Amino acid sequence: GEEVAQTPKHLVRGEGQKAKLYCAPIKGHSYVFWYQQVLKNEFKFLISFQNENVFDETGMPKERFSAKCLPNSPCSLEIQATKLEDSAVYFCASNQDFSSYEQYFGPGTRLTVT
Amino acid sequence: AQSVAQPEDQVNVAEGNPLTVKCTYSVSGNPYLFWYVQYPNRGLQFLLKYITGDNLVKGSYGFEAEFNKSQTSFHLKKPSALVSDSALYFCAARGYQTGANNLFFGTGTRLTVIP
Repeated sequence: GEEVAQTPKHLVRGEGQKAKLYCAPIKGHSYVFWYQQVLKNEFKFLISFQNENVFDETGMPKERFSAKCLPNSPCSLEIQATKLEDSAVYFCASNQDFSSYEQYFGPGTRLTVT
Repeated sequence: AQSVAQPEDQVNVAEGNPLTVKCTYSVSGNPYLFWYVQYPNRGLQFLLKYITGDNLVKGSYGFEAEFNKSQTSFHLKKPSALVSDSALYFCAARGYQTGANNLFFGTGTRLTVIP
């Protein structure tokens, strides 16, 4: 597709429950990125993939967050045992290759942890 | 540490007047710089980028930005603001030498164009 697709649009979880978010990058794009937008509009980089391989996970909280990009499947970001501070909008972005510059963003998934 | 700063949380401008949204950066090596716009409940839309070459770059919807290496700035401009330009604007950068390709963002500037 020509747009990055993210599902669901909204997700509500009780504290301690699992949350799973999905992202379909633009067809032909090799890199996928996950960002977290929290209060005061701060964007935090979480993780990036080159095809199905983790490229950079320096922003990923290791204990409860995991992510995958498997062939022929949407990429996913999973949070085990959600906490209140995980409430945020999670954006997925993609770009074509390492020499591409601009990233194209999906509409985001708003996660609310209650 | 690499960073992007947007010194103004809010910018108000009258419709038809020129607008400027400010951005300064601190990155290793030659910077790759970007502007994105976010409308309510929407993702980020790419407006323009500076990679190399002319310091004045033109982008979507009549926006342009001026790269100033000595001042480490990349201000977004438009000669004549429209009410529909009202949105949240983010400046972003990607470091050149780090080997990473993720973006890091400023905290955003809310632009309000007053009819």
